[in-house]
Parts: sequence; structure tokens; C-alpha cells
Amino acid sequence: GAVVSQHPSRVICKSGTSVKIECRSLDFQATTMFWYRQFPKQSLMLMATSNEGSKATYEQGVEKDKFLINHASLTLSTLTVTSAHPEDSSFYICSAEDRGNEKLFFGSGTQLSVL
Amino acid sequence: GESVGLHLPTLSVQEGDNSIINCAYSNSASDYFIWYKQESGKGPQFIIDIRSNMDKRQGQRVTVLLNKTVKHLSLQIAATQPGDSAVYFCAENKGNNNDMRFGAGTRLTVKP
Repeated sequence: GAVVSQHPSRVICKSGTSVKIECRSLDFQATTMFWYRQFPKQSLMLMATSNEGSKATYEQGVEKDKFLINHASLTLSTLTVTSAHPEDSSFYICSAEDRGNEKLFFGSGTQLSVL
Repeated sequence: GESVGLHLPTLSVQEGDNSIINCAYSNSASDYFIWYKQESGKGPQFIIDIRSNMDKRQGQRVTVLLNKTVKHLSLQIAATQPGDSAVYFCAENKGNNNDMRFGAGTRLTVKP
């Protein structure tokens, strides 16, 4: 079946540094990818929708300058958390829409811990 | 804003029993719904979906029921097994894309 690879699975960084998370569709082309954030014991909250070759659409309350999204190819989207702070510590999950059948597949998530 | 320290609703069942997990969705215009299973530290895993022109759909050991009148969705798991222990989310879609909005989730614990 279709696979979405998310990397890294876990990252610990110091406050003030930037962290990049990659989301790759391994065997399909993804025109649209979605980025979610999930705090402990809570649901997934959509952060932004990323369309290949265009600017991402951010949900209300999500700072676009802090959460930089790049979707330069049909198989890769990246989320960069800039100047990370402890309150950014969370589980970040991407999903990708298979261009061929419009099905949605999720990555395995990235646990970000900011010290 | 988001609240900190919320506890997920929980459901505890005995192995072999049937489980019913409920979800209330928010938008009467939503026309596509998915149930996901999420194990600790992993991304959501697709279980079953249903469109608004149906009120019931069955899969292997799982059944989804949709009541559009009261905006309610349920997931029934037959003969629940320890491997079914996870957090279950319903998600709704409000348009023609895959912009899924997730519900609060329910933690299912299966006792052997």
C-alpha cells in the first residue's frame, strides 16, 4: 500500500534553534499534503495545507513565519519550526493525498521536544 | 485556543466483547467521514470510511453508523481484541478535498 515517510521520528533541540521535518510520499505523487500538530491526550489539529508549487494555506492562529512549509516537489513537503520554544514541543504529523486516487495517507509522526 | 491537560474519554471492554465508540461531528455540511486508529507514538491509521449518502457501512469486524439528523457517528468493533487497544478518532471532511477535521478521540482499552 501507499506509504508516507516522515523524518525524523523524534528530535530534541535547544530553545531558539530551528528544526526541519520531512514528509515524503514513497510510491505516489502528492499534490496536497497536510500538517497536523497533536498535544498529549488531545486530537490532531490541522496547521496548514501544502500544495505543490504554491504557498501553503495556514489555519487561523498558526504563525506562517514560525512554521515554514515548503512543498517543492510532488513527493516532498517540509515543515520547519523556526526559533523553537518549549511550547512548540508536540507531536507533528503529516498526511499526503495520492494524486491518482485522492486517498489520504498519514506519516508516522515526529515527536519534537524543545529544551 | 487549545486546552492543556484534557483527558480523553475512555472505554474499557473485555476481550471478545463488542465495542461501540461514539462521535459527534460539528458541521452539517460534512459529507465524508473516516474513523482512524492511533497507537501511541504513531500516526493515524485508516479503519473505515462512510459518505453522507449512506447510514451504515461494514468492514472486517468493524461497522460505522452515520446519523445525519443528530450529527452522530459510531464505530462498532466486533469481538474486540487486545490489539484493538488504541485511541480512536472520527474525522469529517467539509469539501471536495482531503482536509480532514478530527474529533476529540476515545481511548479504547481491551482487558484480557
